[in-house]
Amino acid sequence: DTAVSQTPKYLVTQMGNDKSIKCEQNLGHDTMYWYKQDSKKFLKIMFSYNNKELIINETVPNRFSPKSPDKAHLNLHINSLELGDSAVYFCASSPGPENLSYNEQFFGPGTRLTVL
Amino acid sequence: QKEVEQDPGPLSVPEGAIVSLNCTYSNSAFQYFMWYRQYSRKGPELLMYTYSSGNKEDGRFTAQVDKSSKYISLFIRDSQPSDSATYLCAMTLSNFGNEKLTFGTGTRLTIIP
Repeated sequence: DTAVSQTPKYLVTQMGNDKSIKCEQNLGHDTMYWYKQDSKKFLKIMFSYNNKELIINETVPNRFSPKSPDKAHLNLHINSLELGDSAVYFCASSPGPENLSYNEQFFGPGTRLTVL
Repeated sequence: QKEVEQDPGPLSVPEGAIVSLNCTYSNSAFQYFMWYRQYSRKGPELLMYTYSSGNKEDGRFTAQVDKSSKYISLFIRDSQPSDSATYLCAMTLSNFGNEKLTFGTGTRLTIIP
């Protein structure tokens, strides 16, 4: 069983379009994240949600809007896509702040977004 | 300057060699240190985790932290072709459950059979 899954795996689209990436975790975790990995493999946090509440919002253009319908899902919607949005987007989850042991983050397989 | 600096490589070594991967960081508030391994076209997976200065060993892997120098290392002994991957160091300010990970830029490692 896949712990953290993302769809789609690949996304190719034109500049100016709006697209969504979906993430689901079946680990029962309270906290979910979105990270962006650029072409040089640099991985940077974008957002974090804990029990559907936004906790971390790094300096990300407001064209990016996360949505968490329940604590097992965290979707990422991107408006007016730009060339610079091309990257691999990773969803991750961790047990959450009430877990007293180390909160390992489990990553999904990534969504490779290409904006033409 | 990035908060966490890591030699991007690529690094190629023969099978059986000892590999040393390193990161330096500027924020002395970082307390928890991790190494993630990322195979091509996959998500990162946690390899090692430590929070105190000194060494932590797990099989062929040893994580070393020197907080006074703001320097962490990962050593791989008896390297295998299956160790070929990108290695990312990461760190957090606390162990609080929703803490963000700050990553290094990753080192791409190839073990030559």
